[in-house]
Formats: sequence, structure tokens, C-alpha cells
Amino acid sequence: AQSVTQPDIHITVSEGASLELRCNYSYGATPYLFWYVQSPGQGLQLLLKYFSGDTLVQGIKGFEAEFKRSQSSFNLRKPSVHWSDAAEYFCAVGASGGSYIPTFGRGTSLIVHP
Amino acid sequence: DSGVTQTPKHLITATGQRVTLRCSPRSGDLSVYWYQQSLDQGLQFLIQYYNGEERAKGNILERFSAQQFPDLHSELNLSSLELGDSALYFCASSLTTSNYGYTFGSGTRLTVV
Repeated sequence: AQSVTQPDIHITVSEGASLELRCNYSYGATPYLFWYVQSPGQGLQLLLKYFSGDTLVQGIKGFEAEFKRSQSSFNLRKPSVHWSDAAEYFCAVGASGGSYIPTFGRGTSLIVHP
Repeated sequence: DSGVTQTPKHLITATGQRVTLRCSPRSGDLSVYWYQQSLDQGLQFLIQYYNGEERAKGNILERFSAQQFPDLHSELNLSSLELGDSALYFCASSLTTSNYGYTFGSGTRLTVV
């Protein structure tokens, strides 16, 4: 069975600083990987996804993520954080082939200090 | 606005009662997914429908049921409600059954008192 671990429950950064949110997955084959963001009172919005090919994936809002098979990781990064990035971030893993429902991590809450 | 509409946004009800949550998928999407989000369980997949038929089941209790209608909107029925059913219930939709990324609604917050 697939699983996702987001080791950090909370991350605090200063506005303008760089950001890296960690995600480790467990899956026996090539996974489909996703990052979603949830702002307060809102649903989840897809930031980016990885299916195959280039292991560095660009997403919306200036985010990127890198798939590292050897480390079973799919960390999310942003070079300069804005106050509006404060939100809950969820990593998810799905089975390749597309027909399986993704499993979500427990989320990382990002706090941005001015 | 994601294009996925969920009603109502908030619902407060008593234990033992039954409620119905409604979801209209994004235009053109055939697949609907229901998720429950709570502090202790995180985001849990409940059930998926595709073009009116049930396609996948997750951690859905027997007290819960869902259906997707010919116009593709979906309803999640929760009965014999317990305090522990208090949570955010999200609906998501996608074009097909493939998990290439979902569009989520803004959720229904259910409070059972």
C-alpha cells in the first residue's frame, strides 16, 4: 500500500526567505506525486504534479518540486516566500497507471513572519 | 472559484440525525470524489463515482452513502450521526477516473452536537 509522510507539522519562515517542505513516500513502483495547498476556509488547490520525465517540476505560484527516487522524496521548494503563501500544504502519492486514488499526507502548516 | 460547488458551507446538527451534502462537479468533469478531513485522521478518501457509477471505496462508514445523479451532481448522505463525524467534507472532481489531479470544492463543515 502507498503512504506519504510529511515530517514537519509546522514550518515558520520569514517573508522573503527560501522554503523547503519535505515529503517522503512509500510505493513499490513509479508513483504519481502531487502537492496541494489549502488556504484557511478553502478547498485544496493543485500546485504541481509529477508523473514521469524531468524530475524537477514547476508549478503555480512560483513553487517547484524535485522527485528523488533514491530518497523516495518529493520536496516542495520556493526561493522567496510571500506572506500570502501561509497555508497548509499537502503531499499526495498515487499509483502510476492513473486509476488509483491518491493517498494524502497529514499536511505541513506554513507560517510566514513579516 | 474552483468550479466545484458544495452546499451547504456549514451544517450544525444533533447526534442521531441524518444530513445530505451536495456537490456539483466542475463543468465537463465526470468523476466525483468525497473526502473527510478531521484533525485526528487527516484527509481521508471516502468514495468515488464516475458517470453515475461507484468506482472506488475508501474508509467510508456503513452509516454513510453517496450517489451521483444523471446531471453528474453528487450527494453524500450521513446518517445516525455521532460527535466523531464532525469534520470538513470535501468534494473533488476530475475529467476521468485517472488521478491526474483533482479540483476541490471549498467544503462543507459539519458540526454534530
